[in-house]
Amino acid sequence: DVKVTQSSRYLVKRTGEKVFLECVQDMDHENMFWYRQDPGLGLRLIYFSYDVKMKEKGDIPEGYSVSREKKERFSLILESASTNQTSMYLCASSWKDNSPLHFGNGTRLTVT
Amino acid sequence: QKEVEQNSGPLSVPEGAIASLNCTYSDRGSQSFFWYRQYSGKSPELIMFIYSNGDKEDGRFTAQLNKASQYVSLLIRDSQPSDSATYLCAVLVSGTYKYIFGTGTRLKVLA
Repeated sequence: DVKVTQSSRYLVKRTGEKVFLECVQDMDHENMFWYRQDPGLGLRLIYFSYDVKMKEKGDIPEGYSVSREKKERFSLILESASTNQTSMYLCASSWKDNSPLHFGNGTRLTVT
Repeated sequence: QKEVEQNSGPLSVPEGAIASLNCTYSDRGSQSFFWYRQYSGKSPELIMFIYSNGDKEDGRFTAQLNKASQYVSLLIRDSQPSDSATYLCAVLVSGTYKYIFGTGTRLKVLA
């Protein structure tokens, strides 16, 4: 079974803090993704990566950056957390270009 | 902007009935379609994927795809209370790595 592990289940941070969300997958998947999920808005793509050190902006990249130094690890960085970044953050990976996404357990981030 | 539309529900069905969940999409070139189940407070879990027109069955679940009508559906036979969840439809936009999700249909199976 594919395992996608997100480092924290719940996080509480203060406005202006730099926040790191970590994601690791154990199936040698090529592609990794970060989504956020908000009530009524569904899942929205923040960033994705199709190879080590490669990254592409999704639909809502503002205020976020990412890092993929190793194939199995994809980090999401909130440069200066704001209250409108309070959300559920979901990491996902996929084996190849049209394969299903496999999600981690999610990180519920609250910015106060 | 590519879109995926789902009725938000709730869709209520009695235990043992067939639940039918529907999804339409705007990108005519899309080739890959996915259904996920999401329990409250949990992350989405893959149920099925379908790439070709027609039906694909897996246990109690059947995915149906009609590319001409840009329509994909999920049938759940012999619905159980444990099937009560939100069901998300996802479409891979042609020529990209982007998976677009609908906002989900909430299913309630009544015991």
